Amino acid sequence: DAGITQSPRYKITETGRQVTLMCHQTWSHSYMFWYRQDLGHGLRLIYYSAAADITDKGEVPDGYVVSRSKTENFPLTLESATRSQTSVYFCASNAGLAGGNSNTGELFFGEGSRLTVL
Amino acid sequence: AQTVTQSQPEMSVQEAETVTLSCTYDTSENNYYLFWYKQPPSRQMILVIRQEAYKQQNATENRFSVNFQKAAKSFSLKISDSQLGDTAMYFCAFIYRGAGGTSYGKLTFGQGTILTVHP
Repeated sequence: DAGITQSPRYKITETGRQVTLMCHQTWSHSYMFWYRQDLGHGLRLIYYSAAADITDKGEVPDGYVVSRSKTENFPLTLESATRSQTSVYFCASNAGLAGGNSNTGELFFGEGSRLTVL
Repeated sequence: AQTVTQSQPEMSVQEAETVTLSCTYDTSENNYYLFWYKQPPSRQMILVIRQEAYKQQNATENRFSVNFQKAAKSFSLKISDSQLGDTAMYFCAFIYRGAGGTSYGKLTFGQGTILTVHP
C-alpha cells in the first residue's frame, strides 16, 4: 500500500543503548522529516532531508543522527539514548519542488513511534 | 524565527455544540500557509484545514472553518455541530512559503489543544 510507514511502533530501551527508528515512504517524495512530540511542546523538528544524501538539522538535533541513502528511507538513530529522548517520534514527507506551486507544504505523517528510555 | 502559540491546553464541548480553538503566531514574513492538524487517540496526524495567507477569504471544510486575522496574526478553528469523533489533540501550524512559491514541510507547530466532546 502507498504511504509512509514507521517501525517499530513501540520501543523500550535503556540509557546508553543505540536505537534506530525506521521510516519508509512509497510516494517518492523528495523531502522527509523527523519530528518529536512532547507534551507542552507540540511537534519539534529534529532533522530533515531534501533528497537522497542531503540532510540538515532542525530545531532539536542534538543526540540524533540521520542518513538517507535512498529516497524512500530516512532512518533516525539515537546513538546513546537518554531519558530526555523518551518521546513520540513522527516521520513525515512532502513532495517539495516536484509538487510545483501547488505544494502547500502539507506534511504526510507516519503513525508515530513511541520510544521509552529507562 | 516563527512561533505559534495555542493558549488553551484543554477545551471541552457538548455534542452538537460549537467550539472555537485559538491560535496566534508571530512572523515577519508575508507569504505563508497556516494549518490545523487533528491527532485522535490513534496518534495519526490528520490535516483538518489549510489557509493561504494571501487569501482574505476564510477557509472552510464541512463543519470546520477558520477565522484568519492576518493583521492580528490570529488563526482560530471553529468546529460546528461537534461530534464524538472530534475528540482529539488539535495543532496549529505555520509554514513560510519560500521563494518560487514552493514549501517544503518545515512546519512550526503550536503546543496543541486537547478537545473533548461530551455526549
